[in-house]
Amino acid sequence: LAKTTQPISMDSYEGQEVNITCSHNNIATNDYITWYQQFPSQGPRFIIQGYKTKVTNEVASLFIPADRKSSTLSLPRVSLSDTAVYYCLVAEGAGNMLTFGGGTRLMVKP
Amino acid sequence: DAGVTQSPTHLIKTRGQQVTLRCSPISGHKSVSWYQQVLGQGPQFIFQYYEKEERGRGNFPDRFSARQFPNYSSELNVNALLLGDSALYLCASSHGVGDGSYEQYFGPGTRLTVT
Repeated sequence: LAKTTQPISMDSYEGQEVNITCSHNNIATNDYITWYQQFPSQGPRFIIQGYKTKVTNEVASLFIPADRKSSTLSLPRVSLSDTAVYYCLVAEGAGNMLTFGGGTRLMVKP
Repeated sequence: DAGVTQSPTHLIKTRGQQVTLRCSPISGHKSVSWYQQVLGQGPQFIFQYYEKEERGRGNFPDRFSARQFPNYSSELNVNALLLGDSALYLCASSHGVGDGSYEQYFGPGTRLTVT
């Protein structure tokens, strides 16, 4: 059975770089890997997506190895407001089954 | 521009009853997806619709059904409610499907409590 896994939680301090890795062993061949941020009592918010190698936007970078069986979300210089749950989302099999990872609860401390 | 809207925001139902949840996507978006999020867990994919057709389905029983209307809004129906159906139901909209992108915009969700 395909499984998408992430660390349950991570702690960091303001100003540090945080890297969160997601493992996905049955990802659909032609689909993107997408990451979301979720605050309590809100819907997830799109952060970044990529297909391979490295993608960077104004808030994060995403690293994807050639085999695409994992991806790493990198948050540079986190602040207290980055405290949230981070999810990876992949399409599995033929691409019509969307799967969120279990989520990584990031706590940023002052 | 309005984001994804969902109604109602909260709902309390009794076991065995039926419920209908509604979602309006962002203007210009033609795809709507539904997710169930149990407290403390990640969202679980239920359905994806595009141009009124089902394009994806998660591992949920037949008690769950959905449809999309010509204006791209959507309804999620759950019959014969069980206590385990208590969750936050999220709707997400996106431009389309089939291009491999899953950049979705989520609504605030409907909190369903089954007693």
